[in-house]
Amino acid sequence: NAGVTQTPKFQVLKTGQSMTLQCAQDMNHNSMYWYRQDPGMGLRLIYYSASEGTTDKGEVPNGYNVSRLNKREFSLRLESAAPSQTSVYFCASRGQGHTDTQYFGPGTRLTVL
Amino acid sequence: DAKTTQPPSMDCAEGRAANLPCNHSTISGNEYVYWYRQIHSQGPQYIIHGLKNNETNEMASLIITEDRKSSTLILPHATLRDTAVYYCIVSRSSGAGSYQLTFGKGTKLSVIP
Repeated sequence: NAGVTQTPKFQVLKTGQSMTLQCAQDMNHNSMYWYRQDPGMGLRLIYYSASEGTTDKGEVPNGYNVSRLNKREFSLRLESAAPSQTSVYFCASRGQGHTDTQYFGPGTRLTVL
Repeated sequence: DAKTTQPPSMDCAEGRAANLPCNHSTISGNEYVYWYRQIHSQGPQYIIHGLKNNETNEMASLIITEDRKSSTLILPHATLRDTAVYYCIVSRSSGAGSYQLTFGKGTKLSVIP
C-alpha cells in the first residue's frame, strides 16, 4: 500500500514549456486534490476532483488544467510554464465520510527558469 | 470556512509537553477543527480532528473550548522528530467532495534538546 505517489520528484522547465505532473493513490479514495506551496507559505488549493469524472477549481487555478483519468489517477498540466509557477506541488486524496482525512503525496519540486 | 490564528513559532524542550494554541472565533456549528503537520518539506500529515469534544489518539490530544472559539493541540512528550510546522484548520466536511482544507502559515514548533 503505497498511499499517494507523485512523479516526477523534481523538474526544471524553461518559460513556455509544458509538462504534466502525475498523481496516483491506491486507497480507493473518491476525492483528489492538487495544492501548491510557495516558500514560507501554507498550501493553496489549485484544483480538486470530488469523484471520478468531476473536477472543480480551487483558490489558484489560473495557468493549470487537470484530468481525473480514473479513480486512481489525477494529473495536473502546465500548458505554458511561467516563473511564477515555481513551487512545490502536492497531491492529496480523501475518502468519503466526515471522519476521513486527506493523505498527501511527497511533492514535486518544480523550477521554471 | 472559519479563519484561524496561530502563533508563528514556539519552542519546546524535548520530553516536555508541547501545547499549540489556535483561535477560530468565527467557527460555525458544523465545522470541524483539524490539525496537520508538515515536517521539513514533506507532504502534510494528518494528526487529529474534533467537533466539540476533546479527542485523543496515539499522536496527540485536542482540547476544544466549550464555546469552540479556540483549541489546543497537545503533544504529550515532544521529541526532536516533532519539529515541524503545525497547521490548525477549520473546515466543513460534507462528505460530498466539497470538503476543502485552507492552510494558513501555521506554527513552527522547534523541539530543543
